[in-house]
Amino acid sequence: KNQVEQSPQSLIILEGKNCTLQCNYTVSPFSNLRWYKQDTGRGPVSLTIMTFSENTKSNGRYTATLDADTKQSSLHITASQLSDSASYICVVSPGYSTLTFGKGTMLLVSP
Amino acid sequence: EAQVTQNPRYLITVTGKKLTVTCSQNMNHEYMSWYRQDPGLGLRQIYYSMNVEVTDKGDVPEGYKVSRKEKRNFPLILESPSPNQTSLYFCASSLFSGGAYNEQFFGPGTRLTVL
Repeated sequence: KNQVEQSPQSLIILEGKNCTLQCNYTVSPFSNLRWYKQDTGRGPVSLTIMTFSENTKSNGRYTATLDADTKQSSLHITASQLSDSASYICVVSPGYSTLTFGKGTMLLVSP
Repeated sequence: EAQVTQNPRYLITVTGKKLTVTCSQNMNHEYMSWYRQDPGLGLRQIYYSMNVEVTDKGDVPEGYKVSRKEKRNFPLILESPSPNQTSLYFCASSLFSGGAYNEQFFGPGTRLTVL
């Protein structure tokens, strides 16, 4: 069964600190992996999309890594800001119609 | 502005009263999808559509219907809503289905409460 597991479930960090969120998947075949940011009560917004041939991609202070051999990805947030408080969702696509979503990591950035 | 719109944003209804949640996108996207999001369960796909007149079931289709008569619209229909359909619903669209560099754009969400 295709699955995406994220850790930790939740995380509290101080403003200005860095953090790393983890994503492990068992989706097969694999086409691409996405990270989304979802503010409370709003729709998810795409941060990065990576194919199996890419092992890192950045979007401002967000850097995603992908190891297609071990089926692991991470999202690193640098110099966190209060506005980074959100749920971060890892999503894996097999390349056709459906996506497999992780349950998300809830990040709270504290002043 | 490129966007996915949903209406209504909030809805409280009673068991058994048919309702429709509309979804529209202005990006000429072929692929559209409906998700529900519940605490602790994440986003789950209800139905999706690869193109006009082409729809298919996702992971949790029971109790829902959809139609895709026009490319831009993809309404979600609850013929006889029940309390277990109380949830936050998202419509999403992308240029094509799930392939590489195929970003999916989400609507703002519809919070549905069924009493």
